[in-house]
Amino acid sequence: SYVLTQPPSVSVAPGQTARISCGGNDIGSKSVHWYQQKPGQAPILVVYGASDRPSGIPERFSGSNSGNTATLIISRVEAGDEADYYCQVWDSSSGLYVFGTGTKVTVL
Amino acid sequence: QVHLLQSGPGLLKPSQTLSLTCVISGDSVSSNSATWNWIRQSPSRGLEWLGRTYYRSKWYDDYAESVKSRITINPDTSKNQFSLQLTSVTPDDTAVYYCVRLTEQWPANTFDIWGQGTMVTVSS
Repeated sequence: SYVLTQPPSVSVAPGQTARISCGGNDIGSKSVHWYQQKPGQAPILVVYGASDRPSGIPERFSGSNSGNTATLIISRVEAGDEADYYCQVWDSSSGLYVFGTGTKVTVL
Repeated sequence: QVHLLQSGPGLLKPSQTLSLTCVISGDSVSSNSATWNWIRQSPSRGLEWLGRTYYRSKWYDDYAESVKSRITINPDTSKNQFSLQLTSVTPDDTAVYYCVRLTEQWPANTFDIWGQGTMVTVSS
């Protein structure tokens, strides 16, 4: 089955840039979505199609996707960005929706 | 505005059947541009997609292989809701269960609306 691998944690100072990687075989050929989850809450979509944002999501959230790695980029990090972040794709070969292992972002 | 409201018991014994319901407001379970999904989350399994139901001139369902022999997801058009049944539960099924809409409109093919989640514990 298709596996998406993320680093368990990323730490970043306020105002700096956080980069969260999502590794998967030829992930660059897939449409990647990113979700933010705060404690006790359901996930919310923050980036879709690797680099687009739903309405209401700040422009500070962006992404990229190429080769075997997709990346969520959070610019000018704020304390409110502290959360778990998950990448997600649809694996056509298995017909499954697959989520990454998740990355906890800590704002120092 | 679309909302999903889940209900169902939170404590089960091994071998029992897990039953959850998700009531939809602001959209229709018969929509031709959405699918209705169940996703669970646990420390051991992370976020795991379990299955979906959807209407495209007729009703369809798809299930993850990991639970395919035990799961049923049914729509109920009279109540505009859908349900999850998972039989023969074990402690490994302990998780937070979410009902989730996947939209085929903008933003396309994303899980854009989530229920509040139900913590289900399986313990003797």
